[in-house]
Amino acid sequence: GDSVTQMEGPVTLSEEAFLTINCTYTATGYPSLFWYVQYPGEGLQLLLKATKADDKGSNKGFEATYRKETTSFHLEKGSVQVSDSAVYFCALSDQTGANNLFFGTGTRLTVIP
Amino acid sequence: DTAVSQTPKYLVTQMGNDKSIKCEQNLGHDTMYWYKQDSKKFLKIMFSYNNKELIINETVPNRFSPKSPDKAHLNLHINSLELGDSAVYFCASSQSLLPLHFGNGTRLTVT
Repeated sequence: GDSVTQMEGPVTLSEEAFLTINCTYTATGYPSLFWYVQYPGEGLQLLLKATKADDKGSNKGFEATYRKETTSFHLEKGSVQVSDSAVYFCALSDQTGANNLFFGTGTRLTVIP
Repeated sequence: DTAVSQTPKYLVTQMGNDKSIKCEQNLGHDTMYWYKQDSKKFLKIMFSYNNKELIINETVPNRFSPKSPDKAHLNLHINSLELGDSAVYFCASSQSLLPLHFGNGTRLTVT
């Protein structure tokens, strides 16, 4: 079945460091891919998305490119800030029409000044 | 003007009790969901309703019963609570296609 695997955390970085959080997926058909972010005490928010191969999603300095050949959707940011500290979830949509989202286990990022 | 609101934010109760969590969305979306997030932050879908009709029902004990009185509401009722039910429960909504809009979660603690 469809699934998402993302790197385990926690990840701790200094401010202005480069961030990569790996995400790979297994799916039949052509899923859409998402990164969601969960700030402390809040619900998940959509960070970015890509709906087809080679699409690049970007938002708030974060980027991820839909790579069909490597079945990956790695999240990157060139210079992280303390305010980026959160849990990041990679997710994949189910194309059966049931609007089911498969989430990865989440990666906690802590950015220290 | 909260888009997806769920209440209560925190719920502490004893084993064996019955409790409900309410969810309302004011986005005009036609699909609503309940997700369970365990202590390791793993997020798993429980139910999905489209226009008040159940379309996803994952392997969830039948002690959990969703109720959708209208398109804007999807409440979660849990009977005979168990220790393992302790988690954060998230309501979400979408308009047919993704992405999802999440509520802020309800932290349920069963003692």
